[in-house]
Amino acid sequence: KAGVTQTPRYLIKTRGQQVTLSCSPISGHRSVSWYQQTPGQGLQFLFEYFSETQRNKGNFPGRFSGRQFSNSRSEMNVSTLELGDSALYLCASSHGQGQETQYFGPGTRLLVL
Amino acid sequence: LAKTTQPISMDSYEGQEVNITCSHNNIATNDYITWYQQFPSQGPRFIIQGYKTKVTNEVASLFIPADRKSSTLSLPRVSLSDTAVYYCLVGDDGYNKLIFGAGTRLAVHP
Repeated sequence: KAGVTQTPRYLIKTRGQQVTLSCSPISGHRSVSWYQQTPGQGLQFLFEYFSETQRNKGNFPGRFSGRQFSNSRSEMNVSTLELGDSALYLCASSHGQGQETQYFGPGTRLLVL
Repeated sequence: LAKTTQPISMDSYEGQEVNITCSHNNIATNDYITWYQQFPSQGPRFIIQGYKTKVTNEVASLFIPADRKSSTLSLPRVSLSDTAVYYCLVGDDGYNKLIFGAGTRLAVHP
């Protein structure tokens, strides 16, 4: 069974631009969660989608948004990029029940100049 | 959500057994304990999960005492490839919201 895939793997943007990252979950998984990882803040939860609905949200500004499609694929968007948005963005998929194994993708490395 | 405390870093040598202890004094009755491993610039990888006593899989063992206020991840006969950051998590903050701490940075030396 294929794992979680994320595209693109690397991205360079400039301040003020916007970016869209994509995540394809493991087949059969209906939950997709997004995380931001930086050296200073570590791994932080952004939001979780299940059956096209956002069920949980972390403490990030409104510039960070996401959506999920009917095939469970998910995208996250960051508008008006800031230097501090440079990070590794990870998505994880699962069946959507509580306290179950989360399967993480390889991440998208975003650099904002 | 129960907070976890684990050592910031540990050093070991190839072939040794490594035990990483995690403290979680405020664990809730229905919380499971989960460990993830992360290599640089990769996503975390699930290692093991348990509720009480001992759980073993092909990679590691997890020891949980009766009061469940701590847990110990045991890695038998580590190799250089086990050099990574190990995260201990307790429960989730609703709907798969995992709360990661700083983790334990394990360095395995030849």
